[in-house]
Amino acid sequence: GAVVSQHPSRVICKSGTSVKIECRSLDFQATTMFWYRQFPKQSLMLMATSNEGSKATYEQGVEKDKFLINHASLTLSTLTVTSAHPEDSSFYICSASLTSGWGFTDTQYFGPGTRLTVL
Amino acid sequence: TQLLEQSPQFLSIQEGENLTVYCNSSSVFSSLQWYRQEPGEGPVLLVTVVTGGEVKKLKRLTFQFGDARKDSSLHITAAQPGDTGLYLCARLRQEYGNKLVFGAGTILRVKS
Repeated sequence: GAVVSQHPSRVICKSGTSVKIECRSLDFQATTMFWYRQFPKQSLMLMATSNEGSKATYEQGVEKDKFLINHASLTLSTLTVTSAHPEDSSFYICSASLTSGWGFTDTQYFGPGTRLTVL
Repeated sequence: TQLLEQSPQFLSIQEGENLTVYCNSSSVFSSLQWYRQEPGEGPVLLVTVVTGGEVKKLKRLTFQFGDARKDSSLHITAAQPGDTGLYLCARLRQEYGNKLVFGAGTILRVKS
């Protein structure tokens, strides 16, 4: 099956520093990757859609200068949380979308998530 | 904005009991997905329902899609502690680049 990995699985950083989270599709090429944020006991909220070779599309209310997304290859997307603050502490999850032979994407495979704690 | 309403939000039951989780919307879905998420992990797709009135079974889990494609339910028979987790319904918004919009989720705890 399609496997998506994230690195690191958890990270603790000081306020004001930047943190990079990687999302990789291990056995398939993903033209589209999605980044989600999840607070404890809450649902997933989409932050941005990342397409390989183009700029990410951010959801309303998500600061693109704070959450930098790069999708340089068909198997890797990165999310950088810049100048992190305690309120950025959350569970960040990526997903990669598999494109069928007809060019129709309807399945997202989720990574295991990254727990970010900003002190 | 949550376009999907899930109920109940929390459910704590004893092993062996049955339960049903509901997912509703005022608009029609082209398709609906159910996910299960364990703490500290990403969500795992359980099923996709597409056709109004469709019923799918996955071992002790039964998924129904309403005839009008505006609602769905997940029924678990004889729940086990291993069923504990966060259950999420999600709607695929094809008109918005295949984005998934998730319901608020139902936290299920099955006690042994």
